[in-house]
Amino acid sequence: EPEVTQTPSHQVTQMGQEVILRCVPISNHLYFYWYRQILGQKVEFLVSFYNNEISEKSEIFDDQFSVERPDGSNFTLKIRSTKLEDSAMYFCASFPLGAGYTFGSGTRLTVV
Amino acid sequence: GQNIDQPTEMTATEGAIVQINCTYQTSGFNGLFWYQQHAGEAPTFLSYNVLDGLEEKGRFSSFLSRSKGYSYLLLKELQMKDSASYLCAVGPRDDKIIFGKGTRLHILP
Repeated sequence: EPEVTQTPSHQVTQMGQEVILRCVPISNHLYFYWYRQILGQKVEFLVSFYNNEISEKSEIFDDQFSVERPDGSNFTLKIRSTKLEDSAMYFCASFPLGAGYTFGSGTRLTVV
Repeated sequence: GQNIDQPTEMTATEGAIVQINCTYQTSGFNGLFWYQQHAGEAPTFLSYNVLDGLEEKGRFSSFLSRSKGYSYLLLKELQMKDSASYLCAVGPRDDKIIFGKGTRLHILP
């Protein structure tokens, strides 16, 4: 069964550093997403990406965040200057229209 | 605004049946999803309802009433491995879905 692959599984970074989280979505899917889940809290929408551009973003997705699909397969989330409150599980997801999302296994980001 | 409500926790016995309810108020509706999430893991897709009625998939069924803004997930013949959080999520539009806070289900032997 096709999978969404995320790397790394766990990243520890110092406050103020830049991080890039990587995802390889399912190849024939049309929409790509980033969600995050702070420990013990609900899954929160960050951004959706369709046709090589941002389709929608939440208020969490401020100027510190950016997304790219640099080579047609990888889908990256960059946080320019990490803050302690960015510590969370970050999930990449993709889906075709009219079906359920497939989530990657997540990257646990710890900002120290 | 967007609001999705579901109970925080439920407890049921192995072999029994449990129903997890979800009510929602969203600006736009493009489908309702149920996901299962074990601690420390990614959500996994269980079901998708876009029309009113019951969708059955093995031990799991999901029901939707769009006029009432209501859904439930029914789990039959509960097994210990069903202990997890169950997330109700609504797609107000094609390009995003919004999650509720999840219902933590505890299964007792």
